[in-house]
Amino acid sequence: EAGVTQFPSHSVIEKGQTVTLRCDPISGHDNLYWYRRVMGKEIKFLLHFVKESKQDESGMPNNRFLAERTGGTYSTLKVQPAELEDSGVYFCASSQDRLNYGYTFGSGTRLTVV
Amino acid sequence: TQLLEQSPQFLSIQEGENLTVYCNSSSVFSSLQWYRQEPGEGPVLLVTVVTGGEVKKLKRLTFQFGDARKDSSLHITAAQPGDTGLYLCAGRIMGTSYGKLTFGQGTILTVHP
Repeated sequence: EAGVTQFPSHSVIEKGQTVTLRCDPISGHDNLYWYRRVMGKEIKFLLHFVKESKQDESGMPNNRFLAERTGGTYSTLKVQPAELEDSGVYFCASSQDRLNYGYTFGSGTRLTVV
Repeated sequence: TQLLEQSPQFLSIQEGENLTVYCNSSSVFSSLQWYRQEPGEGPVLLVTVVTGGEVKKLKRLTFQFGDARKDSSLHITAAQPGDTGLYLCAGRIMGTSYGKLTFGQGTILTVHP
């Protein structure tokens, strides 16, 4: 089966611009997660979708970040306006149900804000 | 505040040696996973442990969950160059949402031929 796909793999934008990251989960996986790793830090949770609903968005840093999952399929994470501290690798993961303890991660989007 | 302390951060050993990576926390975890990550890729799940004291083996890798479910270890026997990579522990803190994993900072393992 196809894995979790993330677009783009790399993005370099200027401070103040807008960037939209996309994640296509494994088909049939209701649960979709966003995580990110900023340089020198551990991977941190951003939010969790169950189908199209936000189950937990406690990790979203601030209101410059907006995540959507239209129709319960792919998800987008928009950063507007981007700041320097938003640089890092953004990972998306999916799982079939809550009993599936492990996730399948995508390869990530490396975001650089200059 | 680092909720899941992983050590060592770097490990450089010779082929054939044994090694152990540790993850420790003051929090209780309902489950804990170990992942391996290659450059340019996302973490890949190796194992999940859910019961205190649980031991799981995956070929030369042995994973243990502490009795109190606050710590875990990964032991590799007779390491090979193919074991080189970033190893991550991650778990669900008891009482938090099931979708939220807390990660350690990772251990970069280099196995020299």
